[in-house]
Amino acid sequence: DTEVTQTPKHLVMGMTNKKSLKCEQHMGHRAMYWYKQKAKKPPELMFVYSYEKLSINESVPSRFSPECPNSSLLNLHLHALQPEDSALYLCASSTPPIPQLDEQFFGPGTRLTVL
Amino acid sequence: SQQGEEDPQALSIQEGENATMNCSYKTSINNLQWYRQNSGRGLVHLILIRSNEREKHSGRLRVTLDTSKKSSSLLITASRAADTASYFCAPNTGGFKTIFGAGTRLFVKA
Repeated sequence: DTEVTQTPKHLVMGMTNKKSLKCEQHMGHRAMYWYKQKAKKPPELMFVYSYEKLSINESVPSRFSPECPNSSLLNLHLHALQPEDSALYLCASSTPPIPQLDEQFFGPGTRLTVL
Repeated sequence: SQQGEEDPQALSIQEGENATMNCSYKTSINNLQWYRQNSGRGLVHLILIRSNEREKHSGRLRVTLDTSKKSSSLLITASRAADTASYFCAPNTGGFKTIFGAGTRLFVKA
């Protein structure tokens, strides 16, 4: 299985809602990533988990809360978001950094709209 | 942070023509990767070239790396309408951080 899955595909939420994005992979990868991508822009790194521990937080606002319950699963909990948080949220996974094996596998993304 | 800068920002060609995209970066790298993204979808890894490599091929893709000029190019030969996508370079200095360049939007006309 060489796939990263993300659910839901689309999500519309109000500014007072609490929702979660889910990402799953069964490739045995021990590094997992959240990216945010606005229209016509490159993906921007938000968080990295390595061996289920938070390794990188790119100064993301606390209304985004990541969680890595096990080596296959990555969640992104959302609370009190703003309309400018509307974007495509991408999950990726990879083996821990090995220069010749740094390929990241991406999921299809969750299209988030905040009203 | 290390980030690739791509050129051109957009490219429109006819099917069957070759497409060349360029990427420049600022500091020493471990490797440089190229990714493709179809509209609104996830990214697909195309090719990784290590800092000690100069050229790499994969099917219709050819990537070159010139570390003295801190630049890389991606050539797609005999392009097809299905190659229409955004292409991102991602220089990697080691570790988890992959900083994507702004991307080149390629449109291949049938």
